[in-house]
Amino acid sequence: QVKLLQSGAALVKPGASVKMSCKASGYTFTDYWVSWVKQSHGKSLEWIGEIYPNSGATNFNEKFKGKATLTVDKSTSTAYMELSRLTSEDSAIYYCTRSDTMGTHYFDYWGQGVMVTVSS
Amino acid sequence: DIQMTQSPSSMSVSLGDTVTITCRASQDVGIYVNWFQQKPGKSPRRMIYRATNLADGVPSRFSGSRSGSDYSLTISSLESEDVADYHCLQYDEYPNTFGAGTKLELK
Repeated sequence: QVKLLQSGAALVKPGASVKMSCKASGYTFTDYWVSWVKQSHGKSLEWIGEIYPNSGATNFNEKFKGKATLTVDKSTSTAYMELSRLTSEDSAIYYCTRSDTMGTHYFDYWGQGVMVTVSS
Repeated sequence: DIQMTQSPSSMSVSLGDTVTITCRASQDVGIYVNWFQQKPGKSPRRMIYRATNLADGVPSRFSGSRSGSDYSLTISSLESEDVADYHCLQYDEYPNTFGAGTKLELK
């Protein structure tokens, strides 16, 4: 069965960076894009960007360019997102999810989310 | 960016009700709209994909429809397990954009 297992919660200081992981299993990792989604204030969702593990190609929401860096390790079927220069506005839950180009499997499976708290 | 204007933001409902939530796209997004259910402390769950297709394992009381740039999620005969937040998503154009969400609450 498809699973996306994310790393644990993080408490980080303002100005620092945080790197989180999303380990995929139950499907061919290189056949699907991995997207990252931010949820602030317990309600609204924002798409950050996506990476295609097979090639490393990425697409970003302009709002998150310079904030988020996406990478993958194909050998462990793991996607990573690093957020830099953190502020209180980055405190949120971050999800990974997968998608395909045809739309049939668009965001059909999600990780459990990583809560990031930015505080001194 | 394409705006997905979701309404209502919250709704007070009773068990057995038929509930309809709508998202209006600011420009044409074709069939590329998904609907998600989210319960407190949980990840979003895909309910509808490509505007009208029921996702695997989703009860048949859920349905999706499209009329022009308006996309709707309808829950027929609401059950207690359906009380949750609902989100729409367009993925026709980058950046993918979500509606602001709808919170269903029991009367």
